[in-house]
Amino acid sequence: ETGVTQTPRHLVMGMTNKKSLKCEQHLGHNAMYWYKQSAKKPLELMFVYSLEERVENNSVPSRFSPECPNSSHLFLHLHTLQPEDSALYLCASSQDWIGQVNQPQHFGDGTRLSIL
Amino acid sequence: QKEVEQNSGPLSVPEGAIASLNCTYSDRGSQSFFWYRQYSGKSPELIMFIYSNGDKEDGRFTAQLNKASQYVSLLIRDSQPSDSATYLCAAGFQKLVFGTGTRLLVSP
Repeated sequence: ETGVTQTPRHLVMGMTNKKSLKCEQHLGHNAMYWYKQSAKKPLELMFVYSLEERVENNSVPSRFSPECPNSSHLFLHLHTLQPEDSALYLCASSQDWIGQVNQPQHFGDGTRLSIL
Repeated sequence: QKEVEQNSGPLSVPEGAIASLNCTYSDRGSQSFFWYRQYSGKSPELIMFIYSNGDKEDGRFTAQLNKASQYVSLLIRDSQPSDSATYLCAAGFQKLVFGTGTRLLVSP
């Protein structure tokens, strides 16, 4: 496989459920990102990991819990979500995080999350 | 608050014409600028990136950056119906800020 892959593609869950989103990148990148995309709103950066260390937490509620076990894998653990959390969750990766300029980010196909 | 502004559109152009997409950003510290294309129901796809003032060309696409005016644009020459999508502009330094996108419609 190439690029950035996300699973599952679609997820429907109740407010009391616990689920996890998975992201895997095959690009040899050192930085990985979680974004939230809601209708009519810009992409919102949630978390950034560089070399498996979290470097950015963009005021995200604690019901979202990221995990980066290695530079190729990124998870987003979900629990006690709210209806307003229904959105497209996108994972991205880039070569590095630290630098004078941002390097291009490559996105996965996303997980469409619906909270009942 | 750092913002990136785009006209939501739709911008309608006939096939073969030049489509011009524009974007302004509020953070003067921004060093990196990106254009992504997003088809409905799909993820953003990188089209162009530019770091320096001036023009950068890649095939039918030209990105233009004017840091003094805090303005970025994307020109698509010889527009095709397959170019119909939402185009996202992003700007920033380390943390990218995205615009809400401009919807482009290219009619045959």
